[in-house]
Amino acid sequence: AQTVTQSQPEMSVQEAETVTLSCTYDTSESDYYLFWYKQPPSRQMILVIRQEAYKQQNATENRFSVNFQKAAKSFSLKISDSQLGDAAMYFCAYSLPGNTPLVFGKGTRLSVIA
Amino acid sequence: NAGVMQNPRHLVRRRGQEARLRCSPMKGHSHVYWYRQLPEEGLKFMVYLQKENIIDESGMPKERFSAEFPKEGPSILRIQQVVRGDSAAYFCASSPRPGTEAFFGQGTRLTVV
Repeated sequence: AQTVTQSQPEMSVQEAETVTLSCTYDTSESDYYLFWYKQPPSRQMILVIRQEAYKQQNATENRFSVNFQKAAKSFSLKISDSQLGDAAMYFCAYSLPGNTPLVFGKGTRLSVIA
Repeated sequence: NAGVMQNPRHLVRRRGQEARLRCSPMKGHSHVYWYRQLPEEGLKFMVYLQKENIIDESGMPKERFSAEFPKEGPSILRIQQVVRGDSAAYFCASSPRPGTEAFFGQGTRLTVV
């Protein structure tokens, strides 16, 4: 079974600084998708960024980028120029192509210090 | 294009009552997933449905829980004879195709008293 591990239950960052959230996963598949979701206090799950395993280039969305290391099964999220609105729970997730659901990690709570 | 709509946002039930949670997927999405989130935990998959079909219910408790996604109308997650341990946030997500990113609703927080 696939598993997703987020080893940092909590992280904090100063406003305008950069922070990296870690995620590792376990799979025997070669084709899959990886995601980072943000869950602010409103509880809404918001997709932050998505990576296809067959793509070597790391995905980037504005201030959010990933470091995808397929051999190491690592998928970290880097948030640059952190803003107060970035404070939230961040979940790493994995899915296979086809009829399979997302598998989530337990999350990392990010605090942003003004 | 409205997002995934879940209702109610909050639901309080006494032990032994039934809880019905509704989810209307995004327009054009025929794949619906239900997840449960306990406090300070990630989301745990419960069931995956496509119109009128249950594709994967491997995460669903064997008793008291059922789900449907009829041809017309929202998807329903039904919990019979609720117990305190059913208290959680229940999220619905939809996608246009399997394996692509899922868009989530705001969840229904069920409290069993």
